[in-house]
This record gives sequence, C-alpha cells and structure tokens, in this order.
Amino acid sequence: DGGITQSPKYLFRKEGQNVTLSCEQNLNHDAMYWYRQDPGQGLRLIYYSQIVNDFQKGDIAEGYSVSREKKESFPLTVTSAQKNPTAFYLCASSRTSGHLRDNEQFFGPGTRLTVL
Amino acid sequence: AQTVTQSQPEMSVQEAETVTLSCTYDTSESDYYLFWYKQPPSRQMILVIRQEAYKQQNATENRFSVNFQKAAKSFSLKISDSQLGDAAMYFCAYRSLTGSARQLTFGSGTQLTVLP
Repeated sequence: DGGITQSPKYLFRKEGQNVTLSCEQNLNHDAMYWYRQDPGQGLRLIYYSQIVNDFQKGDIAEGYSVSREKKESFPLTVTSAQKNPTAFYLCASSRTSGHLRDNEQFFGPGTRLTVL
Repeated sequence: AQTVTQSQPEMSVQEAETVTLSCTYDTSESDYYLFWYKQPPSRQMILVIRQEAYKQQNATENRFSVNFQKAAKSFSLKISDSQLGDAAMYFCAYRSLTGSARQLTFGSGTQLTVLP
C-alpha cells in the first residue's frame, strides 16, 4: 500500500540534544512538507521541498533543519537551538502538477516529540 | 499573507443531527483552493472536502457539504446525519495558487463532539 510513514511515533529528548524525525513516502510525490502542531493551534509549516536537493523555509523554520537527498525521504532535525520543541510533528507529501486533485496533501501518522 | 480563522474552538452535535462548522479567511487573491481536514483521536489528518474558488457550486461529499461565500470569504462545513465516527478536530485550510509552493495555511481547528 502506498503511503507516508513517520518514525518514531513517540520521541523523548533531553535539552541540548539534536534529534532527527524520519519521514518516508512511496507515493512518488515530488513535494514534501513538515508541519508542527501545538495544542489549540493549527498546523504551522516548518520546511517544504518540491524536488530532490532543494528545500525552502516555512513560517517557523528557526531551530530546525532538513535534507532531501532522495525523493522518498525528507528527515527533519530538531536542533538544540529550537526553544520549545515539544510538539506533534506531521509530515506530508503531494504532487506538483496543477489540477486541484493533485494538490491534495497526504499526511503521515505524526511523531510526538517531548523534551525532558 | 493569508490567514484562516475558525472562531468555534468546540462544537457538539447530537447523533443523526446536522452541525455547521465556521471558517473565514483573509486573502487578496481571486483564485485559490480551500479544504476541510479531519483529525480524529489517532491524529491522522484526513481530507474531508475541497473547493476551488473559481467554482460557484458548493462541493459535496456524501454527508459533508460546504457553503462557500466568496465575497464574504467564508467557507463553512455542514455535516448531516452526524455519526459517532465524525467526532474529531476539524481544520479549515487555504492554499494559494500563486508561487510554486503548495503549502497549506490552517485555521486553529474546531473540536467536534458527537453525543449519542
């Protein structure tokens, strides 16, 4: 079955440590996205990538980094510079053609990151 | 920049009844896409319905329909014959047609409770 996988489901980190969240998709989508979700707020865009080896900052990129070495993978690193990293992180992917139905973003199951 | 506002943090509905969730947005663009996503307790984001702004006809998907008022910048979701499985957080989202990115701008969400 095609889809998006994120691992791990739960992640605990000590203050001052970097941590990497995994996102893999087998939908053959060109575009991938990382969102952060906090209680009482909607999803906010961290980074996005429309093609391999290229990515752009979203609205809240500070303290995060990404890479896109393969079409299928878009890992997110939460660095020690991120002041309040405890949140739920969602990865998504989509096609990049123009039709509305191709604009649908498919989401992974998410990773809950807790900083101890 | 576009903004999406959901003014109802929580709503409840009796099973089999109808409920309407509100969403307003702010944009200077004339063409765009609008979406409603559902996030059940599993936290998996699921696309419920989508609307192209240039289409005057309101989108419908089975028990879900929208009331799209372009001039008022309003995009409400109506759920008919509510079922227990409809209980979830619902997010309204906006997607611009300008630029090459396809990121979504989300509202803060409405938590829907379905009462048996």
